[in-house]
Amino acid sequence: GQQLNQSPQSMFIQEGEDVSMNCTSSSIFNTWLWYKQEPGEGPVLLIALYKAGELTSNGRLTAQFGITRKDSFLNISASIPSDVGIYFCAGSARQLTFGSGTQLTVLP
Amino acid sequence: EPEVTQTPSHQVTQMGQEVILRCVPISNHLYFYWYRQILGQKVEFLVSFYNNEISEKSEIFDDQFSVERPDGSNFTLKIRSTKLEDSAMYFCASRVSERGTEAFFGQGTRLTVV
Repeated sequence: GQQLNQSPQSMFIQEGEDVSMNCTSSSIFNTWLWYKQEPGEGPVLLIALYKAGELTSNGRLTAQFGITRKDSFLNISASIPSDVGIYFCAGSARQLTFGSGTQLTVLP
Repeated sequence: EPEVTQTPSHQVTQMGQEVILRCVPISNHLYFYWYRQILGQKVEFLVSFYNNEISEKSEIFDDQFSVERPDGSNFTLKIRSTKLEDSAMYFCASRVSERGTEAFFGQGTRLTVV
């Protein structure tokens, strides 16, 4: 099946710092989605990307759909404590394939 | 805001028992999914469902699993004879169309097999 490589696996940052994480795939996807998951909850959609090269923002979050359609990155600017959680990328073809997640910890 | 709802939030069952996990997708969505997340691991695809039939399933979705849309609103996942390794969070998701749209997830059902 399709595999997504997501990195980094975990990040510890100071409040106010910027964060960057990315996903790469050996397969082409026609949509990339970024989700955040908090403990005991389901994934919550943050950003959806539909076109190669697309750069989309949602508040302090910015994500890009790579030009090759095989990668995507997510940036979080000026991190705050409530950004803590696991961030998953997901490539969408007929169904979603999830990356392994990036565990983000924000230190006050 | 419309949302995907799942019940129960937590189910404890004995090994070998049957369980049914329930989901109510967003009302105008046509594609429905079940995903599984073993504790500490990534979210894994189980099955997709459209037009009252399975459109795709993973190797995890063996003969012990089945899905059904018994009425116009519910979408269920049945595990016929649970095993210890079935313990996981099970997420239902739905979306309007198969491609180019967001998938929205429910809060999940935590299944514990003892």
